[in-house]
Amino acid sequence: EIVMTQSPATLSVSPGERATLSCRASQSVSSNLAWYQQKPGQAPRLLIYGASTRATGIPARFSGSGSGTEFTLTISSLQSEDFAVYYCQQYSNWPPWTFGQGTKVEIK
Amino acid sequence: QVQLVESGGGVVQPGGSLRLSCAASGFTFSSYGMHWVRQAPGKGLEWVAFIRYDGSNKYYGDSVKGRFTISRDNSKNTLDLQMNSLRAEDTAVYYCAKDRSGSYFIDYWGQGTLVTVSS
Repeated sequence: EIVMTQSPATLSVSPGERATLSCRASQSVSSNLAWYQQKPGQAPRLLIYGASTRATGIPARFSGSGSGTEFTLTISSLQSEDFAVYYCQQYSNWPPWTFGQGTKVEIK
Repeated sequence: QVQLVESGGGVVQPGGSLRLSCAASGFTFSSYGMHWVRQAPGKGLEWVAFIRYDGSNKYYGDSVKGRFTISRDNSKNTLDLQMNSLRAEDTAVYYCAKDRSGSYFIDYWGQGTLVTVSS
């Protein structure tokens, strides 16, 4: 089973600032990595797939990078609606599909 | 647009059973694999089960293997999860989710249904 590790657990950022979230895989997942955003009381929403491709309707301020075992989600200028929990998920070697434990982006 | 609506959640005693359903619309259901993913209160996401578009293959997480069964009815556009021998640690919101077939990641999620296992 591939273990996904996200850091930091919590990120405190001021509106308008850049946020950088990290995700590490215990073995290579190539570019088979997705990012999801989850707001309180809501279902997750797909942001990024293929490590760097934005899903339909996702603003350009969200970008993903990386391959192999190291990945990054960057939010270039945080808006109020971006404060949420973000999860990475690998879909390279399944089953199981595995998620990171999440990074909470909170208002500083 | 894609819609996934779960139902069937509720309170059940340890050792009991529950059947969740997911009604799908807005896409050709019979062409896509489907997942169940759960989230315990205040915790992260845990993948539970996957079924291929035609029901030919099913996969389960270790924590539910032998107790849960995923199934689908492509004539009714519905996905089910039969949960037996429920434990307190199965308490969670259960999400039905659509797979991006060919790539095997989740592209759409339902709103979830809460299952509480408690005496």
